[in-house]
Amino acid sequence: AQKVTQAQTEISVVEKEDVTLDCVYETRDTTYYLFWYKQPPSGELVFLIRRNSFDEQNEISGRYSWNFQKSTSSFNFTITASQVVDSAVYFCALSEAWAGRRALTFGSGTRLQVQP
Amino acid sequence: SAVISQKPSRDICQRGTSLTIQCQVDSQVTMMFWYRQQPGQSLTLIATANQGSEATYESGFVIDKFPISRPNLTFSTLTVSNMSPEDSSIYLCSVGQGAMNTEAFFGQGTRLTVV
Repeated sequence: AQKVTQAQTEISVVEKEDVTLDCVYETRDTTYYLFWYKQPPSGELVFLIRRNSFDEQNEISGRYSWNFQKSTSSFNFTITASQVVDSAVYFCALSEAWAGRRALTFGSGTRLQVQP
Repeated sequence: SAVISQKPSRDICQRGTSLTIQCQVDSQVTMMFWYRQQPGQSLTLIATANQGSEATYESGFVIDKFPISRPNLTFSTLTVSNMSPEDSSIYLCSVGQGAMNTEAFFGQGTRLTVV
């Protein structure tokens, strides 16, 4: 069965610091998708990125970057020069590609607090 | 990306009553899902809402407690029945789109408090 582990329960940084959120996953499928979502205090889930298992290129979007390493089953998320608005709970999630199973399995989340 | 409208956004309900949550999507989608997020916890899949057939429930969730309807490809409802304080959670609707339905988008959630 699939599993997503976010070992960091809570991280606190000071504004402008870089921070990396860890995500380790388990799956028996060779085709799968990994996601990161941001959940601010208002509760909605904001989609950040989706990455498929065949694309190991790292991705950068503004202050956000993602490092996907199949060899270690990790999909880590880095925020550069963090800002107070980055304070939220961040979830990593996995979707397996076999027929009938498209729902996401979520990690437990990492609460990021960015202090001014 | 799909635009998902979920109603109500929040509610406070008396124990023993039921609440129906609606999820409306602005385009036809094959896959619709319902998740629960208990306070301070992660998201857990309740069920997959199948159009034209009964929902597929995950372990620990039953139809009598969480009946789901999916009358067409743009709409679904989740009912939380005979509520107790333990049902206080955020309930989220999600849809799958794109190749192999791997685009996953969420409604804004329904924050339910049972008193």
